[in-house]
Formats: sequence, structure tokens, C-alpha cells
Amino acid sequence: ETGVTQSPTHLIKTRGQQVTLRCSSQSGHNTVSWYQQALGQGPQFIFQYYREEENGRGNFPPRFSGLQFPNYSSELNVNALELDDSALYLCASSQQNTGELFFGEGSRLTVL
Amino acid sequence: DQQVKQNSPSLSVQEGRISILNCDYTNSMFDYFLWYKKYPAEGPTFLISISSIKDKNEDGRFTVFLNKSAKHLSLHIVPSQPGDSAVYFCAASGVNFGNEKLTFGTGTRLTIIP
Repeated sequence: ETGVTQSPTHLIKTRGQQVTLRCSSQSGHNTVSWYQQALGQGPQFIFQYYREEENGRGNFPPRFSGLQFPNYSSELNVNALELDDSALYLCASSQQNTGELFFGEGSRLTVL
Repeated sequence: DQQVKQNSPSLSVQEGRISILNCDYTNSMFDYFLWYKKYPAEGPTFLISISSIKDKNEDGRFTVFLNKSAKHLSLHIVPSQPGDSAVYFCAASGVNFGNEKLTFGTGTRLTIIP
């Protein structure tokens, strides 16, 4: 059974740039959620995708957007990067309504 | 507005003793609670959960207690082992939120002293 994988693991961008983070969900899972974990904080819910559609969104601006593909993998896109976007971005997959998330190792984004 | 609070950023416990991690929540609509454990350079891993219809759930060395009237839950680890050293996150959710949309606390770093 393949777990949740994320890429890249680390990246550095400058203010104003755009970034795309990728996630492959665990085999058999149809739901992908994205979380942002700032330093010293708990993960914060960004949004969730189910059957290629956004299925709920946290308190994040529209410059945070996502996609889910037919194979249930997903992308998180962030436009017009700000310094405060520096964080660990976690992807988690699950079966819809089971309540248990399986997290990847995360992508650590640094915005300079 | 922090809806899930873990007021102890860190906790040190002697190996073999009991570790007790605490969590408080403010939103009475939460009805499902989970604990996740996180090692450095890894994603959080699910540890144990409890539904609001129960007040206790046990899995091996791990027990979670829920006090709905106080909006408080705790995780007990007994006996504590060095491999338990990690950051522990309390999380809450519910049917009204979609069960996978978790609200996390800020975490408690547990250190087990050999």
C-alpha cells in the first residue's frame, strides 16, 4: 500500500512569485485535504477536494487554489506569494466521511 | 479565535510513568475528536479518536477521555516509552464540518526521559 507522497519537499520562492505543490493520495482514497502549518502552530485547514471538486474551504484567500485529478492526486497553487505564506504545507488523503486523515511528509515553503 | 487549545507547549515525563496531555475546545458543534502524533520531518500520524457519544476510548497504552460538559479531553499514555517523544496534536471535527475538516490545536511537545 503506497502512502501519501508530496513534492517538492523543500522550496524557496520570492515575494510575488507563484508556487505549485503536488500530492499523490494513498491508494483507495478519494478525498484530499490541504493544511498549512506555520512555525509553532497546528495545521490549519486550507481546502478539501472530493471527486475533483472543492468540498469545503478554510479561511484562506482566493490566491490559494487547488485541483484534484481523476486519479485523486492533487495540486495546491499559491499566487502572489507573501512572506507569511512561509510554512509547511501538508496534504492528507482519506475516504470520504471516515474521519481519519493520512498525512504526507509535507512541503516546506520559504518565501524571501 | 483558537477553537481548540493545548495550553501546555511542552511536557517532560520519566520513562515508565504516565503522560497526560490536555486539550480544551470552545465550539460545542464539535462531536469527534482525534489525537495525532508528529515526529520531526514527518507528517502527523493518527493515534486515537473518540466520538462525543463516548467518554473514554482505549487502544493499548493510549486512552482518551472526553468531558463534554467541560469541553475538555485528555490523552493518557501509560507506561510512557522513549519512542513516545514527539509533538502531539489534538484535533476536532464533526458531521456539521465534514469529518475530514479538522481543527487542530497548537500541539504539545512530549519528551520522555530515559
